[in-house]
Amino acid sequence: KAGVTQTPRYLIKTRGQQVTLSCSPISGHRSVSWYQQTPGQGLQFLFEYFSETQRNKGNFPGRFSGRQFSNSRSEMNVSTLELGDSALYLCASSLAPRLTGGTQYFGPGTRLLVL
Amino acid sequence: EDQVTQSPEALRLQEGESSSLNCSYTVSGLRGLFWYRQDPGKGPEFLFTLYSAGEEKEKERLKATLTKKESFLHITAPKPEDSATYLCAVQARGQGGSEKLVFGKGTKLTVNP
Repeated sequence: KAGVTQTPRYLIKTRGQQVTLSCSPISGHRSVSWYQQTPGQGLQFLFEYFSETQRNKGNFPGRFSGRQFSNSRSEMNVSTLELGDSALYLCASSLAPRLTGGTQYFGPGTRLLVL
Repeated sequence: EDQVTQSPEALRLQEGESSSLNCSYTVSGLRGLFWYRQDPGKGPEFLFTLYSAGEEKEKERLKATLTKKESFLHITAPKPEDSATYLCAVQARGQGGSEKLVFGKGTKLTVNP
């Protein structure tokens, strides 16, 4: 079956712009989580959605927002981009919320470069 | 402050040489601990979820255990294909009903043939 799809795969933006990243989960999966990965900070949790509801949110400023649609696809938006937002953004999908213990499947990520 | 510390940062093993990776945590209200492996240039691959002290889970050459303050990932008779960065993450109760997820920096494992 098809895996988790993230678009775009690569993105270059300038400071002050905004960006929207998309994540299509595996068919039938209703839970989507977003993560930011940088060489300095490592992997950090952004959001967790299940059935269109945000269940948990990481410690990121309000410039980072997300949503999940009725077909379980999810988008993440970052407004007023800063240089420090340059990172690999990963999403993961699973049948149920992460704590249920089911297998989480990660996408390949979107690499964002802010100039 | 919630912290997840993984040790060692890097580990080199010979094929067949068993060892353990450590993930120690200081959080209140542990809800679950997760292990992942990540190959260069790829997203993480989920391995295990552990919930309470004394719990153990196994998958092929990997065995994860959990105590009240740390988790170990035991690798038995590793093979070169086990080379990867192993990450652990802890989910705990946060404020206002939300829960937090904190990752360690990872252990980079290299298994030489």
